[in-house]
Amino acid sequence: EPEVTQTPSHQVTQMGQEVILRCVPISNHLYFYWYRQILGQKVEFLVSFYNNEISEKSEIFDDQFSVERPDGSNFTLKIRSTKLEDSAMYFCASTTWGGGLENEQFFGPGTRLTVL
Amino acid sequence: AQKITQTQPGMFVQEKEAVTLDCTYDTSDQSYGLFWYKQPSSGEMIFLIYQGSYDEQNATEGRYSLNFQKARKSANLVISASQLGDSAMYFCAMREGGDSSYKLIFGSGTRLLVRP
Repeated sequence: EPEVTQTPSHQVTQMGQEVILRCVPISNHLYFYWYRQILGQKVEFLVSFYNNEISEKSEIFDDQFSVERPDGSNFTLKIRSTKLEDSAMYFCASTTWGGGLENEQFFGPGTRLTVL
Repeated sequence: AQKITQTQPGMFVQEKEAVTLDCTYDTSDQSYGLFWYKQPSSGEMIFLIYQGSYDEQNATEGRYSLNFQKARKSANLVISASQLGDSAMYFCAMREGGDSSYKLIFGSGTRLLVRP
């Protein structure tokens, strides 16, 4: 069964460093998402991506964040200068054509980012 | 205002008994979808069940059913015959039809512990 994959599973970085979180969505999916879950809290939407551009971003997704789909398979989230409060689990998700509300979003296993 | 409210931070249930996890939602859209996800301690997000706003019947998937009361804006998850492996966090989420990004909005979750 096709699945969303994410690398690395755990990333430890120093405050102020740049990190890139990588995701490989399911191959025929068209909509891609990043969500964040601070430990013990709810899952929060960061950004959605469709047709090679951002379709929506949340207040959390400030200028320190960027997304890219560099080669038609990978989908990356970059944090330019990490802060302590960026420590969280980051989930990538993808879904087929969004015309149906029922289309399930398939989540990757997540990358746990720890900023020291 | 919260779009998805889960009022039970934690629940206990005896193995083999049924349990209901509450979810209320708030939207002005006529067309929307409601989802439940399970998050075990390993962290991944597992899709359980979906209910569309126009679906006349309550959704069922194996031991999971969704008690959908549209007028009350509630979408409670019922797990029948609880198993030890059901111990996890459970998140209710909504996708609004007027949202072109088709993002999911999550509640704060309910931690379910199944007692042997």
